[in-house]
Amino acid sequence: EDQVTQSPEALRLQEGESSSLNCSYTVSGLRGLFWYRQDPGKGPEFLFTLYSAGEEKEKERLKATLTKKESFLHITAPKPEDSATYLCAARGETSGSRLTFGEGTQLTVNP
Amino acid sequence: DARVTQTPRDKVTEMGQEVTMRCQPILGHNTVFWYRQTMMQGLELLAYFRNRAPLDDSGMPKDRFSAEMPDATLATLKIQPSEPRDSAVYFCASGLYQIGGRSNEQFFGPGTRLTVL
Repeated sequence: EDQVTQSPEALRLQEGESSSLNCSYTVSGLRGLFWYRQDPGKGPEFLFTLYSAGEEKEKERLKATLTKKESFLHITAPKPEDSATYLCAARGETSGSRLTFGEGTQLTVNP
Repeated sequence: DARVTQTPRDKVTEMGQEVTMRCQPILGHNTVFWYRQTMMQGLELLAYFRNRAPLDDSGMPKDRFSAEMPDATLATLKIQPSEPRDSAVYFCASGLYQIGGRSNEQFFGPGTRLTVL
């Protein structure tokens, strides 16, 4: 059974204080590792897909990286508008199109 | 700006009543997903369709939930009868699956917040 675990559950940062969110996954034959951002009262918003260990993707202050067991979402010099819940999901070779989501990390960036 | 749309955005109903939620996927997407999100369980996949055919509904309570795609522009999720434990936010997502392609991104709608009293 595919499993995805995110840590920490919640993270408070000061504006400009860089940090990383962790996503550990146990998936048979990874076919994609996905990051989403979810704001209160809204649906998850797609950020990145990573497919193989060593791959990296960037978008503004966010950079996602992937190893064989984990993915990290690095946030550089965050701003208050980066406050949101960040969700990680994985798709395995036996999952069809099913994604297994982690519980999310709730990020708060204080001005 | 292509988006998944869902109606209604909020629904409050009495236990035992029928609830129908609707979703319009992004034009051209061939795969539609229904999720449920609660504080306790997080995001759970209920069912998904490809080219309007159900591929996986293993996450859905079969006795009271049903999902259909009457046409390529409409997906419905129905609960009958509804129970208080069904209270949650229900999301629809869509994506484009291509044989041999890598892209598996799912794009989510704004959700329907369901409260069953």
